[in-house]
Parts: sequence; C-alpha cells; structure tokens
Amino acid sequence: DGGITQSPKYLFRKEGQNVTLSCEQNLNHDAMYWYRQDPGQGLRLIYYSQIVNDFQKGDIAEGYSVSREKKESFPLTVTSAQKNPTAFYLCASSMTGSGNQPQHFGDGTRLSIL
Amino acid sequence: QKEVEQNSGPLSVPEGAIASLNCTYSDRGSQSFFWYRQYSGKSPELIMFIYSNGDKEDGRFTAQLNKASQYVSLLIRDSQPSDSATYLCAVNRGRDSGAGSYQLTFGKGTKLSVIP
Repeated sequence: DGGITQSPKYLFRKEGQNVTLSCEQNLNHDAMYWYRQDPGQGLRLIYYSQIVNDFQKGDIAEGYSVSREKKESFPLTVTSAQKNPTAFYLCASSMTGSGNQPQHFGDGTRLSIL
Repeated sequence: QKEVEQNSGPLSVPEGAIASLNCTYSDRGSQSFFWYRQYSGKSPELIMFIYSNGDKEDGRFTAQLNKASQYVSLLIRDSQPSDSATYLCAVNRGRDSGAGSYQLTFGKGTKLSVIP
C-alpha cells in the first residue's frame, strides 16, 4: 500500500532535549511538508521540500530543523530552542511542490513535554 | 499574511439534510482550493479540490468556487452521522506571497455535527 508513515505516534521530550520525528513516503512524490497543529487551530507550515536535497522554511521554522537526503524521507528535529513544542505534528507529501497538487497526510505524531 | 477564514461552528444539521460549509480567502493570486475532513484525534484526509469557478461534484460532495468573491464552499448532501468531523479549507498562496509562495494556507476549520 502506498502511503506516508510517521513515527512514533507519541513522543515525549525532556527539557533541553532534541527529538526527531520520522516521515517516510512510498508515493514517489517530489514534495514533502511538515505542519504543526495546536488545539482548535489550523495547520501551520514549519518546513517544506520541493525536491531532494533542498528545503525551505515555512511560517514557523524557528526551533526546528529538517533534512531531505532521500526522496522518500523528510525527518523533522524539534530542538531545545523550540520553547513550546507540545502539538500534533503532521507530515504530508504531494506529487509536485507547485501548490496545485493535493497534499496527503500521514497519521501524525503527538509531542508532549515531560 | 494572507488569511483563510472559516466559521468555527459547531454547525449542527439533522441526518439527511444538506450541510453547507463556507470559506473565504484574502489572496487574490490563489488558484487552487482544497477541502479536508479531520476526525477528532486523526490526521486530515482530502475530500475534494477545485481550480475553476463554478461547481465540482463528487458523490455527495459539491465544491463551489467564486474567485471574484474570494469564496469557496463545500456542500454535503444527505448528511450522515459519519460526516461529523472538522472540515478544513486550504488555499494555495499566489506567486507574490514571498517566502512560501504556492504553499497552502489552512483555515482553522468548521466543526460539523450531524444529528441522527
């Protein structure tokens, strides 16, 4: 089955710790995205990548980092600089990054502070 | 920043009725419009997308777009209790949006409740 796999489903972060969220897709999509969703809020764009080995900051990139070394993978690191990391993190992909292709989402990772 | 506005609801409709969900956007350069359904605690799933003015139908769902009024809507006919969810409107940013051009801006969603 083609799809987007995010892991882990739940993650807990200690103060001062960096944590990495995994996102893998087997849809052969060029573009991948990371969003953050807070309760009662829409999705906010953290980082996006339109092609392998390239990525761009989204609207709320501070305290986050990404890499795109393989087409299938787009991991997100939540660094200790992100002071309010508790949220639902969603990874998505689309055929291209042109903005006119539908984005498809993984099941998400819930991150909480210990 | 360009905005996408939705009534947060909850919108309550009886089973079998038509649910009408509305979305307005501020970026005149937007060309692509998407509707997602999100059940509580789950990730969004794509319902429909529309690019041209007018109506687009898919089963019980109809998307309507009016670019002049900067308005997009989703109609759900014969609403079922299983349609109860939050519906997110997403609009792509125009090319003059600077950083993040062509990316999607999401509304906060409208919560729909279908009463049996």
